[in-house]
Amino acid sequence: EIVLTQSPGTLSLSPGERATLSCRASQSISSSYLAWYQQKPGQAPRLLIYGASSRATGIPDRFSGSGSGTDFTLTISRLEPEDFAVYYCQQYGSSPRTFGQGTKVEIK
Amino acid sequence: EVQLVESGGGLVKPGGSLRLSCAASGFTFISYAMNWVRQAPGKGLEWVSSISSGSHFSYYADSLKGRFTISRDNTKNALYLQINSLRAEDTAVYYCARDRGTFNESPFDIWGQGTMVTVSS
Repeated sequence: EIVLTQSPGTLSLSPGERATLSCRASQSISSSYLAWYQQKPGQAPRLLIYGASSRATGIPDRFSGSGSGTDFTLTISRLEPEDFAVYYCQQYGSSPRTFGQGTKVEIK
Repeated sequence: EVQLVESGGGLVKPGGSLRLSCAASGFTFISYAMNWVRQAPGKGLEWVSSISSGSHFSYYADSLKGRFTISRDNTKNALYLQINSLRAEDTAVYYCARDRGTFNESPFDIWGQGTMVTVSS
């Protein structure tokens, strides 16, 4: 199975700053089948990005995804108060579909 | 409104069984593959099982095979997860989630709010 490693584990930033989250795969992900989710405490995950760089319905354009092969990045251009949460990457190009361990974006 | 609502969680003794349900509304349920994903307290997300739209195909996480059974009833817009021989490590919030597109090659675009399963004596 493909193992996804996210870094850093925690990112401490202030509102208005730029956040850069990394997701590295143990082997190449076919067709850039990489997604990003946001999860707030007590809530279900929400799909943000699919296909490595396509925003899901209703997702603000401050969220962007990039990358291919084994290295992927989620960028939040200017952090809003509601963006402080845990972010997970997921690969869905190979079965089983696996998740990274998550990156927590916290208020500095 | 597109919605998934899970139910059936609770406190169960080790070795017990539980059947989780997920009620779907606001979309054509029969057109979508469905999934169960779980999250242990304070931990990350773990895919559990998937089932195709017509129930012809189902997949399970290797570590869970034999104890978990996924099923669906398209006449009732419902998804199920039968869990047998429950263990303490099965304690988690169980989410149902919809495949966005092609079965087993899609992210999960709609999630329920989750149902908590606690396994303890």
